[in-house]
Amino acid sequence: DTGVSQNPRHKITKRGQNVTFRCDPISEHNRLYWYRQTLGQGPEFLTYFQNEAQLEKSRLLSDRFSAERPKGSFSTLEIQRTEQGDSAMYLCASSTRNTIYFGEGSWLTVV
Amino acid sequence: QKEVEQNSGPLSVPEGAIASLNCTYSDRGSQSFFWYRQYSGKSPELIMFIYSNGDKEDGRFTAQLNKASQYVSLLIRDSQPSDSATYLCAVNSYYIGNQFYFGTGTSLTVIP
Repeated sequence: DTGVSQNPRHKITKRGQNVTFRCDPISEHNRLYWYRQTLGQGPEFLTYFQNEAQLEKSRLLSDRFSAERPKGSFSTLEIQRTEQGDSAMYLCASSTRNTIYFGEGSWLTVV
Repeated sequence: QKEVEQNSGPLSVPEGAIASLNCTYSDRGSQSFFWYRQYSGKSPELIMFIYSNGDKEDGRFTAQLNKASQYVSLLIRDSQPSDSATYLCAVNSYYIGNQFYFGTGTSLTVIP
């Protein structure tokens, strides 16, 4: 499978715990995006990497969220001190130039 | 003002009919336009993209772009029950970073 891979696919965590999601992009894609999607809404931009550089970060992203892409390969998205409002599907996408392809998403439920 | 706006629907069409989905965008500098299909509980799947004014056809799907009116649409011919999903419109502009802005999606139901 040469698509975008995300794991874990589902995560249930207690409020206040930290969670980390991993994304493995399509191998030749140098751009990587993280989005968040809640029910009835379109994907909401969180952050964007070109190779290992984090070029953009949404103003809506609180300091509890951090993302990395060491060596320009896989990426991780960490949410610290989770809140119930963080419950959503976290989508990773990668692109070469003008088109982005999504992974299957990671569902987070904060209880 | 939202960057991308779509009618949330739901839109219902009978099997075999043409489904028409519409999208408007606010940034005149937008250069690339995309349609994604999203089944319930799944991630968005790219259907097609369009960069130039006019029509672009791919099988049963036709994307239409009118930059002067800041309008992009998706036509689905010979609609099938398997086309029942939420359709997301997305736009991209180099002038506002390299973000892809998504609408909230239009829910389509094809009735057998």
